[in-house]
Formats: sequence, C-alpha cells, structure tokens
Amino acid sequence: DAEITQSPRHKITETGRQVTLACHQTWNHNNMFWYRQDLGHGLRLIHYSYGVQDTNKGEVSDGYSVSRSNTEDLPLTLESAASSQTSVYFCASSYLAGATINEQFFGPGTRLTVL
Amino acid sequence: GESVGLHLPTLSVQEGDNSIINCAYSNSASDYFIWYKQESGKGPQFIIDIRSNMDKRQGQRVTVLLNKTVKHLSLQIAATQPGDSAVYFCAESWGAQKLVFGQGTRLTINP
Repeated sequence: DAEITQSPRHKITETGRQVTLACHQTWNHNNMFWYRQDLGHGLRLIHYSYGVQDTNKGEVSDGYSVSRSNTEDLPLTLESAASSQTSVYFCASSYLAGATINEQFFGPGTRLTVL
Repeated sequence: GESVGLHLPTLSVQEGDNSIINCAYSNSASDYFIWYKQESGKGPQFIIDIRSNMDKRQGQRVTVLLNKTVKHLSLQIAATQPGDSAVYFCAESWGAQKLVFGQGTRLTINP
C-alpha cells in the first residue's frame, strides 16, 4: 500500500549540530509539506514543495531548509539545532489536480529533542 | 494576521451522544476547509473536508457544516464512541495548496 514514512521517529541531539529528518511518500504526490507541532500552537508550516526542485518558506522557516530532488522525498534539515527547535515534526503530502486543493496525508511524526 | 481558531479547547461528552466541535475562521477568502483527528502519538488523520460552494457535507457518522456568513465551521460526530477520543483540528486554505491549522480541541468520551 502507498504510504508516507518519517525517520527517525525519535531523535536526541545537541545544540549546534546539524540534523536531517527524512520524509518519504509512495503516492507520487506533487505536494509535500513539513510542520512542527508544539503545545498551544497546533501545526505550523515550516517549508513546502509543489514539485521537484521547488521549495517554499512557510510560517516558521528560520533555521530550517529543505530540498526536493525527486518526487518521493522531502528531507528537512536543521542547520544548527537550537533548543527552541525541540518539537514534534510532521511531514505531509497531497496530490495536485489542476488548481484544486485536496486533503493532505500525514506521516507518523518525528519527536526531536535538542539538548 | 489571518488565523483559524476554536471556540472550545476541550469537550467532554457521554458515550452515545452527539458531539459538536466548533471552529471560527477569519479569512473571508478561504475556499477550502478540512477536519483532522489526531490520536496520541500519531499523525493527523483526515476526517472530512468541504469547499466554500457547499454548506454541508456528510460522511460516515460525521457532518461538517459551513456558515460563510459568520465564518464558522463545525464538525458533528453522531453517536460518539470511545474511539472518537482525540484532538480535532480544523484548517482552512485560500488560493494555494497550503493549509492553516487551528490549535485543536480535545474530545473526551465519558462511559
């Protein structure tokens, strides 16, 4: 079955280290998204991509970067991890049907702790 | 800025009763709305969506109502079951493939 996976599921790192979170989907969806979820803030959009070689900044993009070299993957990189980036990170994807928006499918999440 | 919010952060209902979760949105240009359910330790799961050219849409045990006049969205769950316990998020979109999420409301079921 088609799915969306994230790895690792849990990660502990130290301040200043570079961290990459993986997201892989097998639906062949054009659109992919990264969110962070913190108590009191719901889901906030970090970066998103509408297709290969396309990336866009979301609401809380500072300190994060993404790249889209193929349809299936959108890795999220924290260039220099900070304690404020301790959070649960969710990847999502959706298919593009013309200009019509469709539902996003979410991965299981990655819990990141920055010490 | 524009935002999506919820009237109630927590909701407690008796098993078998109907649940109504409300959501207010502020962007009159929003043309797509969606509800997600999130269980502890899991990613959000799609429940139902509705476009601005509709005011009601029904799924299995769920109904979404959209009132564009007062910018209000609601999710109705019929005959609430223990498995409905979760956090529910509404989200809106306007003119792009992005979603803007509300903070969520926790639904608890009393036996």
